[in-house]
Amino acid sequence: DQQVKQNSPSLSVQEGRISILNCDYTNSMFDYFLWYKKYPAEGPTFLISISSIKDKNEDGRFTVFLNKSAKHLSLHIVPSQPGDSAVYFCAASGGSGGGADGLTFGKGTHLIIQP
Amino acid sequence: DTGVSQDPRHKITKRGQNVTFRCDPISEHNRLYWYRQTLGQGPEFLTYFQNEAQLEKSRLLSDRFSAERPKGSFSTLEIQRTEQGDSAMYLCASSLTGTGSRQYFGPGTRLTVT
Repeated sequence: DQQVKQNSPSLSVQEGRISILNCDYTNSMFDYFLWYKKYPAEGPTFLISISSIKDKNEDGRFTVFLNKSAKHLSLHIVPSQPGDSAVYFCAASGGSGGGADGLTFGKGTHLIIQP
Repeated sequence: DTGVSQDPRHKITKRGQNVTFRCDPISEHNRLYWYRQTLGQGPEFLTYFQNEAQLEKSRLLSDRFSAERPKGSFSTLEIQRTEQGDSAMYLCASSLTGTGSRQYFGPGTRLTVT
C-alpha cells in the first residue's frame, strides 16, 4: 500500500507562473515532510521541509503547506523558472514504512516549465 | 562539504553473480541510509546505520542483500546471486541528526542484471 501519494505524474506550467505540486499521505504517524527535486542521472536534492507542528514553511520561491486534517501537503513555486523542470518527490518520515528515520517517498511528479 | 559519493556509478552483471556497491557519506554525518529506486517509482527505504550499527532493515531487504558500515564511515551494500528483479538505482544518503533531519543523497549506482 502506498503511504505517500503523488497523483499527478506530470505537470506543465508556463514560465513565471505558479507551480503547485500536491501530495497526500495515509499514515498519521508521519511527523516530518520533505520535498526533493531530482534531475536525470543525479540523486535527489533536498528542497524544503515542514514539521507536523507547522502548517507553512517558506524558503525563497518555495513554500510548503501542510493540512494535517486532510493529510495533504503542497509545494508552491513562485515564479516558476526553466531550471525548475525536474521530477519532484514528496517524502515523509516517522511512520513505519521507512523505519525510525528512513523516508517514505511518493512516485514523483515531473514538472515541466514551458518558456 | 564534498557531498555523498557512490561507486561505481553503473554496474552491469550477469544473473547469479555477486555485486558490491560503496557509499562514502558526508564526513561528519553519523547516519547512513540505503534506498532502491526502480523506474517510475520513488526511492524505497532498504536499511540505515547509526555509526556502525545497523538499526533497521526493510522487508524489501532479502537474505541475498547485506550491508555493512564497519568503522562508522563508508558503507557497502552487497547483493548475492543477483536476479533480474534487482535491476534498479541504488541510492545512498546520509544525515547528521535524528528524525526529521534532511538526508543528503549521492548520485546512485545503476545496476543492470542481464
